[in-house]
Parts: sequence; C-alpha cells; structure tokens
Amino acid sequence: NAGVTQTPKFQVLKTGQSMTLQCAQDMNHEYMSWYRQDPGMGLRLIHYSVGAGITDQGEVPNGYNVSRSTTEDFPLRLLSAAPSQTSVYFCASSYSNRGGGRNEQFFGPGTRLTVL
Amino acid sequence: AQSVAQPEDQVNVAEGNPLTVKCTYSVSGNPYLFWYVQYPNRGLQFLLKYITGDNLVKGSYGFEAEFNKSQTSFHLKKPSALVSDSALYFCAVRDPYNFNKFYFGSGTKLNVKP
Repeated sequence: NAGVTQTPKFQVLKTGQSMTLQCAQDMNHEYMSWYRQDPGMGLRLIHYSVGAGITDQGEVPNGYNVSRSTTEDFPLRLLSAAPSQTSVYFCASSYSNRGGGRNEQFFGPGTRLTVL
Repeated sequence: AQSVAQPEDQVNVAEGNPLTVKCTYSVSGNPYLFWYVQYPNRGLQFLLKYITGDNLVKGSYGFEAEFNKSQTSFHLKKPSALVSDSALYFCAVRDPYNFNKFYFGSGTKLNVKP
C-alpha cells in the first residue's frame, strides 16, 4: 500500500493564482482531512470529509475549498492564493470504529506552498 | 473550546537518559488523546493513543505516555533516549462533541545528543 500520497511536494504561487493540492489514499478510509502546519502553531484543521460527497469545515476553512467525489481522493483548492496561505499542507486519513469515532490518522508527506 | 498545550518548545536530553515531553489538555468531557512524531520533511506518524482504561499507554518505538486526569496531562516518556528519537513531537486531542475534529499542540522539538 502506498498509504496517503500528496502532490506536488513543493509549489510557488503568485498572489491571486489558484491551484489544487492533490491527496489520495489506498486504505479505503472513510475519513480524510486537510491540515496546515505553521511554525509555533502546530497543525490546524482546514476541512474534513467523512465519505464521498460529504465535507465539512475545520478550524481555518477560509480561502480553501474541498470536494470528495471518491473514497480515495480529497483535493484541496485555493481559489485566490494569498501570502497568508504560505504553509506546509498535510492530508490525512483515518478509519472509524464501530461507534463512529475517528481514530489515529495516517498522514501524507506534505506539500510546501509559498505564496509570493 | 478543546485544546492541548505543549509548554516546551524544545527538550534536550543525552542519549541513554530518560525523556519526557509534556502535554496538558483542556477538554470538556472525556479526552481522547494522541501522540505523533514528525521527522524532518516527513508527515506525522502515530505513536500512541489514550481512549480509556489503564493510565499508562504503551506505543511504538518504546514510547509510553501517562494519562493523569487530576493534572489534565498526557506526558510522553521513554526510559532510555536514542539519538534517532530526535524529532518534532505533537500531542493531539479529539473533540468529544465532534469526533471528526482534532486539535494539535504547537509541537516540541526533541534533541537527543550522543
């Protein structure tokens, strides 16, 4: 299994440009999520999905869109990039227990995004 | 609001000595706690979790964590540190009212010197 994969690894954008960060998992996990990692702030949840067609907002959703058309893929879209979105982005997935609780997450290798 | 705090930005320890990385939590309800490790230029890897039951939780690579409800803490420990343990460590808590949300601490950089 490849686990959670992310592309690209690095990206430089100009303010106002748009782009999509790709994320895929091959573990048949229902739950997928996007985080951004900033120095001294840990990881903050941007958006998450509990299955195909179902998404919801996390702590810091502004400026980001997501969709989930398949179990495997969960892309993150930046519609109009801003310097404040310079960060490292991680995608993660998780399985559920019988009670619906989310368990430990499996993280991708990250995408380092710089917005000039 | 649910949160975890990691009061130390950095912990330095000599190889072979015991190590502790601190985490305190603020959760209204029963906490569901995790520790993750991040090596340079890599994603986070799961180490261990506390759900309920025994206050001492054992995890990967010889790590363990002690849950203390009265002190609202979940410190990560290892009896004998290795140089290869040098990494960034994150504590996290699951939201007890929304099982789909997790909150991470700011991270603690562990430096193990030979």
